[in-house]
Amino acid sequence: SQQGEEDPQALSIQEGENATMNCSYKTSINNLQWYRQNSGRGLVHLILIRSNEREKHSGRLRVTLDTSKKSSSLLITASRAADTASYFCATDGSNAGNMLTFGGGTRLMVKP
Amino acid sequence: DAGVIQSPRHEVTEMGQEVTLRCKPISGHNSLFWYRQTMMRGLELLIYFNNNVPIDDSGMPEDRFSAKMPNASFSTLKIQPSEPRDSAVYFCASSLGTGPYEQYFGPGTRLTVT
Repeated sequence: SQQGEEDPQALSIQEGENATMNCSYKTSINNLQWYRQNSGRGLVHLILIRSNEREKHSGRLRVTLDTSKKSSSLLITASRAADTASYFCATDGSNAGNMLTFGGGTRLMVKP
Repeated sequence: DAGVIQSPRHEVTEMGQEVTLRCKPISGHNSLFWYRQTMMRGLELLIYFNNNVPIDDSGMPEDRFSAKMPNASFSTLKIQPSEPRDSAVYFCASSLGTGPYEQYFGPGTRLTVT
């Protein structure tokens, strides 16, 4: 079963708007990561947040983590058409070693 | 660095044929992962290696699937015999293997079994 579940499954917005994607997970984690996948390509790492962190920024990306609710959110501000992609959260359970468990992804479409 | 290299990029084969997918991880990375992605099942971890040793193969769907890593710079995923339900995109990823385990993905192999 998937550790992370993204919400919504699909999101369509206009260029310039903000996009928020959520991820929920089930077991305790060390870190949570977000990846992007453009159509027909491999996943690309975006940002990592550790379990003892609550918020992290990278350019137009803002990630929050609430370990009490076992949830995370990814905010993309001032979206661009080039942000159109699928976004996945991935967790490394505290006993998972090097393994990551990926959620089902959110398909984001940014309309120009 | 060229990143993770996978070959072939596309493979079309007939049911019952043997298929071999290849992966070259990033130099210096000591963990390697094979994933399968389909619309129905999403991204599934098939097997992962650490220092060329298979650590967890619980995701390998059945005995028709096998994976090897004979050295630090090469891995194969073999399907024999292939079936139409094996059609998917297969990704290889590598990581340094020391926390916090950011993974670098290859471009994938799109497999179609007819």
